[in-house]
Amino acid sequence: QKEVEQDPGPLSVPEGAIVSLNCTYSNSAFQYFMWYRQYSRKGPELLMYTYSSGNKEDGRFTAQVDKSSKYISLFIRDSQPSDSATYLCALGGGYNFNKFYFGSGTKLNVKP
Amino acid sequence: GAVVSQHPSWVICKSGTSVKIECRSLDFQATTMFWYRQFPKQSLMLMATSNEGSKATYEQGVEKDKFLINHASLTLSTLTVTSAHPEDSSFYICSANTGRVTEAFFGQGTRLTVV
Repeated sequence: QKEVEQDPGPLSVPEGAIVSLNCTYSNSAFQYFMWYRQYSRKGPELLMYTYSSGNKEDGRFTAQVDKSSKYISLFIRDSQPSDSATYLCALGGGYNFNKFYFGSGTKLNVKP
Repeated sequence: GAVVSQHPSWVICKSGTSVKIECRSLDFQATTMFWYRQFPKQSLMLMATSNEGSKATYEQGVEKDKFLINHASLTLSTLTVTSAHPEDSSFYICSANTGRVTEAFFGQGTRLTVV
């Protein structure tokens, strides 16, 4: 079983839509839950992270963690064409504290 | 945010030759650097973790004699792909960590093509 599962998509939505991206995981020891955005042929850039459970909001982006279900989500409100990218979840702070496990990434396309 | 520079951004080499990829943290000292490999439409696969001045820790299945990692200073780590073969063609990405688990910054990646 993979440490982190993420639907690869692709996900295509019209501009202005609400986007929901999700990951599930198996190891309850994870403490840090990160979301990265990766444009084609570029390295990932950190969007936001959550420590332990709960929600975190940053502008149009909201990250949610449900540790009881081992399920994390990233919501994008009022999506824009510039949001088109691959979004990767990453989990860390587990038994090997600095090691992160990445999801396979969900490719998002926001159509004008 | 902090800047991590990876060089070169792309390289084409002949089978059997070696290629060196550099990863530099430009405005901070990186206690730990990570090397990843990413195949198309797949996730980042951690290859190895390196701490300045010590030997790298390789993930299971990664050949340490083929992927040589040197972390000579707090701002520079290098990955050398030795005797490259076409199956080594991939996107290699480094990340540098300041010491706080949430502060891992990624390089731009290196597209390696072995012909």
